[in-house]
Amino acid sequence: DAMVIQNPRYQVTQFGKPVTLSCSQTLNHNVMYWYQQKSSQAPKLLFHYYDKDFNNEADTPDNFQSRRPNTSFCFLDIRSPGLGDAAMYLCATSRPPRQGGNEQFFGPGTRLTVL
Amino acid sequence: AQTVTQSQPEMSVQEAETVTLSCTYDTSESDYYLFWYKQPPSRQMILVIRQEAYKQQNATENRFSVNFQKAAKSFSLKISDSQLGDAAMYFCAYGPGGGADGLTFGKGTHLIIQP
Repeated sequence: DAMVIQNPRYQVTQFGKPVTLSCSQTLNHNVMYWYQQKSSQAPKLLFHYYDKDFNNEADTPDNFQSRRPNTSFCFLDIRSPGLGDAAMYLCATSRPPRQGGNEQFFGPGTRLTVL
Repeated sequence: AQTVTQSQPEMSVQEAETVTLSCTYDTSESDYYLFWYKQPPSRQMILVIRQEAYKQQNATENRFSVNFQKAAKSFSLKISDSQLGDAAMYFCAYGPGGGADGLTFGKGTHLIIQP
Protein backbone atom coordinates (compact mmCIF):
# COMPACT_ATOMS: atom_id res chain seq x y z
CA ASP A 1 0.00 0.00 0.00
CA ALA A 2 1.17 3.51 -0.76
CA MET A 3 2.07 5.28 2.42
CA VAL A 4 4.11 7.77 4.43
CA ILE A 5 6.79 6.15 6.57
CA GLN A 6 8.66 7.76 9.45
CA ASN A 7 11.78 6.43 11.08
CA PRO A 8 12.45 5.97 13.85
CA ARG A 9 9.09 5.89 15.63
CA TYR A 10 10.80 6.82 18.89
CA GLN A 11 13.99 8.80 19.21
CA VAL A 12 15.86 9.70 22.37
CA THR A 13 18.62 12.27 22.24
CA GLN A 14 20.62 14.30 24.68
CA PHE A 15 20.34 18.01 25.20
CA GLY A 16 22.37 19.69 22.47
CA LYS A 17 23.12 16.52 20.50
CA PRO A 18 22.08 16.81 16.84
CA VAL A 19 19.35 14.48 15.69
CA THR A 20 17.85 13.63 12.31
CA LEU A 21 14.34 12.34 11.71
CA SER A 22 13.44 10.63 8.47
CA CYS A 23 10.34 10.55 6.32
CA SER A 24 9.76 8.63 3.12
CA GLN A 25 6.72 8.29 0.89
CA THR A 26 5.57 5.92 -1.81
CA LEU A 27 2.74 8.21 -2.94
CA ASN A 28 4.94 10.20 -5.33
CA HIS A 29 3.49 13.43 -3.97
CA ASN A 30 5.06 16.75 -4.82
CA VAL A 31 4.65 18.36 -1.43
CA MET A 32 6.10 17.19 1.88
CA TYR A 33 5.48 18.82 5.25
CA TRP A 34 6.92 18.66 8.73
CA TYR A 35 4.71 19.42 11.73
CA GLN A 36 5.58 19.58 15.41
CA GLN A 37 2.93 18.36 17.83
CA LYS A 38 3.56 18.89 21.53
CA SER A 39 1.58 16.98 24.11
CA SER A 40 -2.14 17.79 24.01
CA GLN A 41 -1.61 20.51 21.41
CA ALA A 42 -2.44 21.01 17.77
CA PRO A 43 0.14 20.11 15.14
CA LYS A 44 2.13 23.17 14.11
CA LEU A 45 3.67 23.50 10.67
CA LEU A 46 7.45 23.90 10.68
CA PHE A 47 8.15 23.97 6.93
CA HIS A 48 7.33 22.29 3.66
CA TYR A 49 8.87 21.39 0.33
CA TYR A 50 7.05 21.82 -2.95
CA ASP A 51 9.28 19.68 -5.13
CA LYS A 52 12.71 21.20 -4.43
CA ASP A 53 11.38 24.55 -3.26
CA PHE A 54 11.76 24.98 0.48
CA ASN A 55 9.23 27.05 2.42
CA ASN A 56 10.00 27.91 6.01
CA GLU A 57 7.36 29.16 8.43
CA ALA A 58 8.27 32.55 9.85
CA ASP A 59 8.29 31.37 13.46
CA THR A 60 10.20 28.11 12.94
CA PRO A 61 13.41 28.32 15.01
CA ASP A 62 16.73 28.30 13.15
CA ASN A 63 17.57 25.19 15.13
CA PHE A 64 15.30 23.25 12.76
CA GLN A 65 16.48 22.46 9.25
CA SER A 66 15.20 20.21 6.51
CA ARG A 67 16.55 18.40 3.48
CA ARG A 68 14.80 16.75 0.57
CA PRO A 69 17.33 14.87 -1.54
CA ASN A 70 14.68 13.39 -3.84
CA THR A 71 10.92 13.10 -4.26
CA SER A 72 10.60 10.19 -1.85
CA PHE A 73 12.62 11.33 1.14
CA CYS A 74 12.60 14.30 3.47
CA PHE A 75 14.66 14.80 6.63
CA LEU A 76 14.22 16.97 9.68
CA ASP A 77 17.46 18.01 11.35
CA ILE A 78 17.48 19.49 14.83
CA ARG A 79 20.91 20.98 15.30
CA SER A 80 20.95 21.46 19.06
CA PRO A 81 17.84 19.98 20.66
CA GLY A 82 16.55 21.63 23.78
CA LEU A 83 14.13 20.27 26.33
CA GLY A 84 11.40 22.31 24.68
CA ASP A 85 11.85 20.42 21.42
CA ALA A 86 10.51 17.20 22.89
CA ALA A 87 7.42 16.47 20.82
CA MET A 88 5.84 14.27 18.20
CA TYR A 89 7.09 15.17 14.73
CA LEU A 90 4.66 14.46 11.94
CA CYS A 91 5.51 14.18 8.27
CA ALA A 92 2.77 14.66 5.70
CA THR A 93 2.49 14.70 1.93
CA SER A 94 0.06 16.06 -0.61
CA ARG A 95 -0.45 16.41 -4.33
CA PRO A 96 -0.04 19.86 -5.89
CA PRO A 97 -2.71 22.39 -4.94
CA ARG A 98 -6.17 21.66 -6.31
CA GLN A 99 -5.33 18.06 -7.04
CA GLY A 100 -6.84 15.50 -4.72
CA GLY A 101 -8.78 18.11 -2.78
CA ASN A 102 -5.66 19.35 -1.00
CA GLU A 103 -5.77 16.35 1.33
CA GLN A 104 -2.63 15.72 3.35
CA PHE A 105 -1.50 12.17 4.13
CA PHE A 106 0.27 11.73 7.43
CA GLY A 107 2.92 9.37 8.65
CA PRO A 108 2.71 7.76 12.11
CA GLY A 109 5.08 10.32 13.61
CA THR A 110 8.38 10.21 15.48
CA ARG A 111 8.23 10.87 19.19
CA LEU A 112 11.36 12.74 20.24
CA THR A 113 12.56 12.69 23.83
CA VAL A 114 15.32 15.06 24.91
CA LEU A 115 17.24 14.12 28.05
CA ALA B 1 -3.35 34.65 9.60
CA GLN B 2 -5.93 31.95 9.88
CA THR B 3 -7.12 30.55 13.18
CA VAL B 4 -9.13 27.46 14.02
CA THR B 5 -10.95 27.08 17.31
CA GLN B 6 -12.34 23.92 18.83
CA SER B 7 -14.14 24.82 22.03
CA GLN B 8 -14.75 21.28 23.28
CA PRO B 9 -11.59 19.70 24.71
CA GLU B 10 -13.48 16.47 25.39
CA MET B 11 -16.80 14.94 24.40
CA SER B 12 -18.43 11.71 25.50
CA VAL B 13 -21.18 9.80 23.73
CA GLN B 14 -22.92 6.47 24.16
CA GLU B 15 -22.26 3.84 21.54
CA ALA B 16 -24.81 4.05 18.69
CA GLU B 17 -25.74 7.63 19.59
CA THR B 18 -25.00 10.79 17.60
CA VAL B 19 -22.45 13.39 18.58
CA THR B 20 -21.52 16.77 17.12
CA LEU B 21 -18.07 18.30 17.40
CA SER B 22 -17.78 22.06 16.98
CA CYS B 23 -15.25 24.09 15.04
CA THR B 24 -15.03 27.74 14.12
CA TYR B 25 -12.38 29.40 12.03
CA ASP B 26 -11.30 32.81 10.95
CA THR B 27 -9.93 33.78 7.57
CA SER B 28 -10.07 36.65 5.14
CA GLU B 29 -9.73 34.29 2.19
CA SER B 30 -12.63 33.13 0.06
CA ASP B 31 -10.93 30.07 -1.40
CA TYR B 32 -10.04 27.39 1.10
CA TYR B 33 -10.67 23.87 2.33
CA LEU B 34 -11.77 22.60 5.70
CA PHE B 35 -10.97 19.19 7.08
CA TRP B 36 -11.69 16.92 9.99
CA TYR B 37 -8.84 14.59 10.86
CA LYS B 38 -8.96 11.70 13.31
CA GLN B 39 -5.93 10.76 15.41
CA PRO B 40 -6.41 7.50 17.35
CA PRO B 41 -4.07 6.88 20.28
CA SER B 42 -0.55 6.10 19.06
CA ARG B 43 -1.75 5.91 15.49
CA GLN B 44 -1.44 8.16 12.52
CA MET B 45 -3.75 10.98 11.61
CA ILE B 46 -6.28 10.13 8.93
CA LEU B 47 -8.73 12.25 7.01
CA VAL B 48 -12.36 11.89 8.05
CA ILE B 49 -14.03 14.40 5.79
CA ARG B 50 -13.25 17.41 3.60
CA GLN B 51 -15.25 20.47 2.57
CA GLU B 52 -14.41 22.88 -0.20
CA ALA B 53 -15.43 26.42 0.69
CA TYR B 54 -16.98 27.15 -2.68
CA LYS B 55 -19.35 24.22 -2.38
CA GLN B 56 -22.58 25.00 -0.57
CA GLN B 57 -23.56 21.38 -0.15
CA ASN B 58 -22.41 19.84 3.10
CA ALA B 59 -19.97 16.96 2.71
CA THR B 60 -20.92 13.49 3.91
CA GLU B 61 -18.93 10.29 4.26
CA ASN B 62 -21.01 7.37 5.49
CA ARG B 63 -21.71 8.07 9.19
CA PHE B 64 -19.82 11.35 9.12
CA SER B 65 -21.29 14.63 7.94
CA VAL B 66 -20.53 18.29 8.36
CA ASN B 67 -22.58 21.40 8.86
CA PHE B 68 -20.69 24.10 6.98
CA GLN B 69 -21.88 27.62 7.63
CA LYS B 70 -19.60 29.82 5.58
CA ALA B 71 -20.96 33.17 6.69
CA ALA B 72 -20.70 32.17 10.33
CA LYS B 73 -17.30 30.49 9.72
CA SER B 74 -18.50 27.37 11.41
CA PHE B 75 -17.67 23.78 10.47
CA SER B 76 -19.10 21.14 12.79
CA LEU B 77 -18.76 17.37 12.45
CA LYS B 78 -21.64 15.03 13.15
CA ILE B 79 -20.94 11.39 13.83
CA SER B 80 -24.01 9.18 13.63
CA ASP B 81 -24.32 5.70 15.12
CA SER B 82 -21.10 6.15 17.11
CA GLN B 83 -18.85 3.11 17.29
CA LEU B 84 -16.08 2.17 19.71
CA GLY B 85 -13.58 2.61 16.89
CA ASP B 86 -14.53 6.26 16.62
CA ALA B 87 -12.75 7.00 19.90
CA ALA B 88 -9.87 9.36 19.07
CA MET B 89 -8.70 12.96 18.99
CA TYR B 90 -10.49 14.88 16.29
CA PHE B 91 -8.81 17.88 14.74
CA CYS B 92 -10.49 20.51 12.65
CA ALA B 93 -8.12 22.01 10.10
CA TYR B 94 -8.03 24.84 7.60
CA GLY B 95 -6.13 24.64 4.34
CA PRO B 96 -5.54 27.27 1.65
CA GLY B 97 -7.27 26.87 -1.67
CA GLY B 98 -4.58 27.66 -4.17
CA GLY B 99 -1.32 27.15 -2.38
CA ALA B 100 0.68 24.26 -1.00
CA ASP B 101 0.88 25.84 2.44
CA GLY B 102 0.27 23.56 5.36
CA LEU B 103 -2.81 23.12 7.45
CA THR B 104 -3.80 25.21 10.44
CA PHE B 105 -5.22 22.94 13.11
CA GLY B 106 -7.51 23.49 16.06
CA LYS B 107 -6.48 22.15 19.45
CA GLY B 108 -8.55 19.03 19.04
CA THR B 109 -11.50 17.35 20.72
CA HIS B 110 -10.99 14.09 22.57
CA LEU B 111 -13.97 11.87 21.76
CA ILE B 112 -14.85 9.13 24.21
CA ILE B 113 -17.29 6.40 23.25
CA GLN B 114 -19.15 4.82 26.17
CA PRO B 115 -20.09 1.18 25.55
